[in-house]
This record gives sequence, C-alpha cells and structure tokens, in this order.
Amino acid sequence: NAGVTQTPKFQVLKTGQSMTLQCAQDMNHEYMSWYRQDPGMGLRLIHYSVGAGITDQGEVPNGYNVSRSTTEDFPLRLLSAAPSQTSVYFCASSPGYRGESSTDTQYFGPGTRLTVL
Amino acid sequence: GDSVTQMEGPVTLSEEAFLTINCTYTATGYPSLFWYVQYPGEGLQLLLKATKADDKGSNKGFEATYRKETTSFHLEKGSVQVSDSAVYFCALSRGANSKLTFGKGITLSVRP
Repeated sequence: NAGVTQTPKFQVLKTGQSMTLQCAQDMNHEYMSWYRQDPGMGLRLIHYSVGAGITDQGEVPNGYNVSRSTTEDFPLRLLSAAPSQTSVYFCASSPGYRGESSTDTQYFGPGTRLTVL
Repeated sequence: GDSVTQMEGPVTLSEEAFLTINCTYTATGYPSLFWYVQYPGEGLQLLLKATKADDKGSNKGFEATYRKETTSFHLEKGSVQVSDSAVYFCALSRGANSKLTFGKGITLSVRP
C-alpha cells in the first residue's frame, strides 16, 4: 500500500491563479479530508467527504472546492489563489464505518507546501 | 464546541530527560483522544490513541492516559532521544467519519 499520496509536494502560485491539489488513497477508506496547517494554529479542517459523491464543509472552506467522484481520489481546488492561502495542506483518510469495524484513526499524506505571491 | 489546549512551546530537553507535554480538552460525552507526531518535512503520524476513560495509549516509549475527571491526555516519556525531536499535536475525534480537532502543536527539540 502506498497509503495517502499527495501531489505536488511544493507549489508557487500568483494571486488569482487556480490550481488543484491531488490526493489519493489505496486503502479503500470511506472518509477523506483536507486540512491546512498554519504556524501557531494547528490544523484546521477545510472540507471532508464520507464517501463517493458526498462532500461537506469544514471550518475554513472559503476559497476552496472539492469533489469525490471515486473512493480513492479527493482533489482540492483553489478557485482564485490569495496570499492568505499560503499554507501547508494535508490530506487524510480513515476507514470510517467500512468493513468489519469502524475506526476514527486518520492517516495523513506527506503534505503540499503552497506559496501564493 | 470542541477544543483542545496544549501547553505553550517550544520545549528543549537534553537527551535522556523526562518529557511531559500537557493536553486538556473541552468536549461533551466521550471523544477519542490522540497524539500525532510530525517529524521535520513530513506529514502527521499517529503516535498513540485512547478511546475511553482510563485507557492508556502507548507507543515508542510514549504514554498518555485518558483522564475524564480532569479532561486531560498528557503525553509522557521517561527518557527522550534526539530522534524524538518533532512537533507533537494533541487531538480529539467524536468517532468514525468525524473530523479531528487539533491543539496548536508543540515543538520538541532534544539536544545530544
């Protein structure tokens, strides 16, 4: 298993540009989520999904869009990048209620470091 | 709403010193509690967890006990190593398909 993978690892954008951060997991996990990590603020939830075709907003959803067309993939789209979106972005997944037992342990990808100029 | 409070950092210790990182939470009911660790340049890894009161999570010499009466989940290690240098996050969850609520994290540096 590759676990949770994210691409790209680093990205620099200009204000107003759009881009998609990719996230994929090969563990057949039901639950997937996106967090951003900012100094002194821990991790904050942007969007999450409890299964293919189902997404919902987290604490800081403004300026971001998500979709979940397959169990494996959960891309995060920045619609019009702003300097306030400079951050490290983490994708995470967990089994949820799938399978024989549920678990709330989340598994994180390596992160994407995004800078918006 | 739910919240997690960690002690202020950073923390610098000498190798083989005793480590305590305080974590308290505010939440109704019985959330699951976690410690995640982030090594330099990497993503977060689960260090340990506890799912009910008085449970003790342990891994790699680290321990934390779920204390419902004090709403705490303090992380301890008897003898730290240089390789333990990382950022440590306390977090809670309300179960499967629920978000993690994180503390702000604390940076630990261990000197040889």
